[in-house]
Amino acid sequence: EAGVAQSPRYKIIEKRQSVAFWCNPISGHATLYWYQQILGQGPKLLIQFQNNGVVDDSQLPKDRFSAERLKGVDSTLKIQPAKLEDSAVYLCASSPGQGYTGELFFGEGSRLTVL
Amino acid sequence: GENVEQHPSTLSVQEGDSAVIKCTYSDSASNYFPWYKQELGKRPQLIIDIRSNVGEKKDQRIAVTLNKTAKHFSLHITETQPEDSAVYFCAASILASYDKVIFGPGTSLSVIP
Repeated sequence: EAGVAQSPRYKIIEKRQSVAFWCNPISGHATLYWYQQILGQGPKLLIQFQNNGVVDDSQLPKDRFSAERLKGVDSTLKIQPAKLEDSAVYLCASSPGQGYTGELFFGEGSRLTVL
Repeated sequence: GENVEQHPSTLSVQEGDSAVIKCTYSDSASNYFPWYKQELGKRPQLIIDIRSNVGEKKDQRIAVTLNKTAKHFSLHITETQPEDSAVYFCAASILASYDKVIFGPGTSLSVIP
C-alpha cells in the first residue's frame, strides 16, 4: 500500500515570497490533516479536511495560509506572503475517516526555510 | 480546546534502564491517547495507543497507563536500547465524528550505550 506522498521535500524562499505544498493521502482515506512542526516542538494542527470539506481550521493563519482539497483526494497548502516564523516542517497525514479513531499516517513532510 | 502537556522535554537513560514520559490533558471529553515516535528527519509513527475504557496497555517493552480522573497518561519503556533514541509525542483525541488529534510538545529520549 502506498503511503502519504508530499512534495516538495525541501523549499527555501525569501520572506514575502509564496510557496505551495502538495499532499496525496493514502487511497480511500477520507480525512486529511496538515500539521506545522517547528523545530523542537510538537506537530500543530493547521487544518483538517473530511473529504473535500473543512472540519477544523481554527489554528490556520488565514491572512497568509490557505488550503484546499479539491475532489476530496489530494490537497495543497499555500503560504503567501511567507514570514520568517513560517520556517518549519509541514506534515500531511491521513486517516480512514469519520468515526475512525486510530493511527494517523504521516507523509515525510515538507521542510520550509524562510530567509 | 484541548491542551496537552508533556514532561520531561529531554531524558537520558543508560541502555537497559527504564524510561517514563508523562502527559496531562485538559479536556475531560478526550478518550483516545496515542503515542508517536519520531526519529531524526523522519515522519512520526504510532507506537502504542490507549482508549479511555482501559487503564493500561502493554506491547512487548512498551506500556501506557491512563488515569482519567487525574487526566494524565504515561509511556513506559523497559530495557531501553539505543534504537529507542528518538522524540516521543503523546496526543489526545475525542471519539466523535471527526478525530482532531492534539499533540504534546515532545520528549527527546537518548539511550546511552
